[in-house]
Amino acid sequence: QKEVEQNSGPLSVPEGAIASLNCTYSDRGSQSFFWYRQYSGKSPELIMSIYSNGDKEDGRFTAQLNKASQYVSLLIRDSQPSDSATYLCAVSGSARQLTFGSGTQLTVLP
Amino acid sequence: EAQVTQNPRYLITVTGKKLTVTCSQNMNHEYMSWYRQDPGLGLRQIYYSMNVEVTDKGDVPEGYKVSRKEKRNFPLILESPSPNQTSLYFCASSFGVGGNYGYTFGSGTRLTVV
Repeated sequence: QKEVEQNSGPLSVPEGAIASLNCTYSDRGSQSFFWYRQYSGKSPELIMSIYSNGDKEDGRFTAQLNKASQYVSLLIRDSQPSDSATYLCAVSGSARQLTFGSGTQLTVLP
Repeated sequence: EAQVTQNPRYLITVTGKKLTVTCSQNMNHEYMSWYRQDPGLGLRQIYYSMNVEVTDKGDVPEGYKVSRKEKRNFPLILESPSPNQTSLYFCASSFGVGGNYGYTFGSGTRLTVV
């Protein structure tokens, strides 16, 4: 079992819709959770971090964490074509190193 | 501008010819790390460094070396590159332990070994 798992997609949503990206992790000792956005051929860019159970909102982005279910998600409201990218979930486990999922490719259709 | 600078951006080399990919950060970050990214496998950690002269292996260290003689620099060395090291490489840095604060990534180095 991979330590951090994401649906690879591709996930397609129409412009203006809510995009929902999911991630599960295996290390129950994980304490820090991150979402990165990566455009094709570019480096990952940190867009959200979350450390405690519940929701954290930043503009059109909402990160949700449920440690009991070992689940973290990212919601993108009012999706725009410029949101089309690969979204990487990253988790800091017991060893305090970031482990990345394989990423979910999101396409927002105009 | 706060940034992580990698060089070169693109590199084509032949099997067995030693090469170094440089990484430098100007944010006074203690923590630095190297990742490789391959299709379907995501980002995998090669080596990391908690501070000057402190380095440790990540998940895929075989065939790579690193050094951290200065806080700002963390070069990746391939002593005898092989075709299976063809990949996209990223250097990253962070305050404190990387897992707590997230990383700032460099622009990447696309390496092809023929």
